[in-house]
Amino acid sequence: ETGVTQSPTHLIKTRGQQVTLRCSSQSGHNTVSWYQQALGQGPQFIFQYYREEENGRGNFPPRFSGLQFPNYSSELNVNALELDDSALYLCASSPRDPGDTQYFGPGTRLTVL
Amino acid sequence: AQSVTQLGSHVSVSEGALVLLRCNYSSSVPPYLFWYVQYPNQGLQLLLKYTSAATLVKGINGFEAEFKKSETSFHLTKPSAHMSDAAEYFCAVSDLGGGSQGNLIFGKGTKLSVKP
Repeated sequence: ETGVTQSPTHLIKTRGQQVTLRCSSQSGHNTVSWYQQALGQGPQFIFQYYREEENGRGNFPPRFSGLQFPNYSSELNVNALELDDSALYLCASSPRDPGDTQYFGPGTRLTVL
Repeated sequence: AQSVTQLGSHVSVSEGALVLLRCNYSSSVPPYLFWYVQYPNQGLQLLLKYTSAATLVKGINGFEAEFKKSETSFHLTKPSAHMSDAAEYFCAVSDLGGGSQGNLIFGKGTKLSVKP
């Protein structure tokens, strides 16, 4: 059984640029959630996708957007990067029901200069 | 709205000593509660979860947690710390009212150090 994978591992961008992060969900999981983890903090929920539709969003501006594909993989896009966007971005996949365990990928470390 | 508070951003124990990491939650409905561990430069790994089946939950690597509704707590314990337990630990509650299906609300984390 393949776990959750994310790419790239590390990324360096400059302020104002755009970035796309990718996530492949665990086999059999149809829900993908994205989290932002700033240094020294707990992860913060960005949004969740279920069957290619956004299914809940945290307190993040619209320049954070996403997609989910028919194979349940997902992308996180961030436009107009700001210095505060520097963080570890974590993707988690899970089956549909609330309370189901979310399985996390290794994360993408984004540095904005 | 659900929330999680982890008491103590840094806990240090000696190898072989008891590990106790504290977590209190706030939830208006019966919660789903989780403990995750994060090793340096890695993602989150599930240690254990509570879903109302039993109040004492056993997880991986010898960890366990007890759900106490009267105290709104879900503290993580391990009888004897190993050097390999040094990591950051996150308590989380499943948000059942946020429109999504079970996105997690995390505490700020507790960094566990183990002294030889």
